[in-house]
Amino acid sequence: ETGVTQTPRHLVMGMTNKKSLKCEQHLGHNAMYWYKQSAKKPLELMFVYSLEERVENNSVPSRFSPECPNSSHLFLHLHTLQPEDSALYLCASSPGLLTGELFFGEGSRLTVL
Amino acid sequence: GIQVEQSPPDLILQEGANSTLRCNFSDSVNNLQWFHQNPWGQLINLFYIPSGTKQNGRLSATTVATERYSLLYISSSQTTDSGVYFCAVELFAGGQNFVFGPGTRLSVLP
Repeated sequence: ETGVTQTPRHLVMGMTNKKSLKCEQHLGHNAMYWYKQSAKKPLELMFVYSLEERVENNSVPSRFSPECPNSSHLFLHLHTLQPEDSALYLCASSPGLLTGELFFGEGSRLTVL
Repeated sequence: GIQVEQSPPDLILQEGANSTLRCNFSDSVNNLQWFHQNPWGQLINLFYIPSGTKQNGRLSATTVATERYSLLYISSSQTTDSGVYFCAVELFAGGQNFVFGPGTRLSVLP
């Protein structure tokens, strides 16, 4: 079983849609993260959760709304996105908050029309 | 903040060739990871290496923390080695940990 799984792998949505990305980790880690990877840009850290509590939000627009119901699951709710939000969204987890080996999921490739 | 640089930015190899990828960082770090991003986008862990040398099959990595660099060696490259290689450093405390370098794009030709 893969350590960190993400669904869906691909998502196409219109600007007025509401959708969610899901991430699940099976590693017993305490911290989870959302990263955004746009074409020809470095990885951008979006959100950090430690034991279900959000500890960092790197000035992400409110049209992205994270949710962490427990230490194994992380969601990214998407609402009224813009075409420039099209990117690869990567979920990751680590044993402790911002420490320890980082493991990534397969990513969710989002296209906003 | 800490700067993480990788070189070369792009590398094209013939299958079977060896290569060395470099990661430089501007400040002391608690740890360092190497990842391979495959063509489908997944970041795969290669090494978690604060110092010293580790080997895994055809790949090996060396981190010299006192001189603030790490090297990733790929021997007898295969087409499946193609993709982008990232290093990421873990800071000691505070700030935005897990700072990623810009990556090295490797293309291995058959």
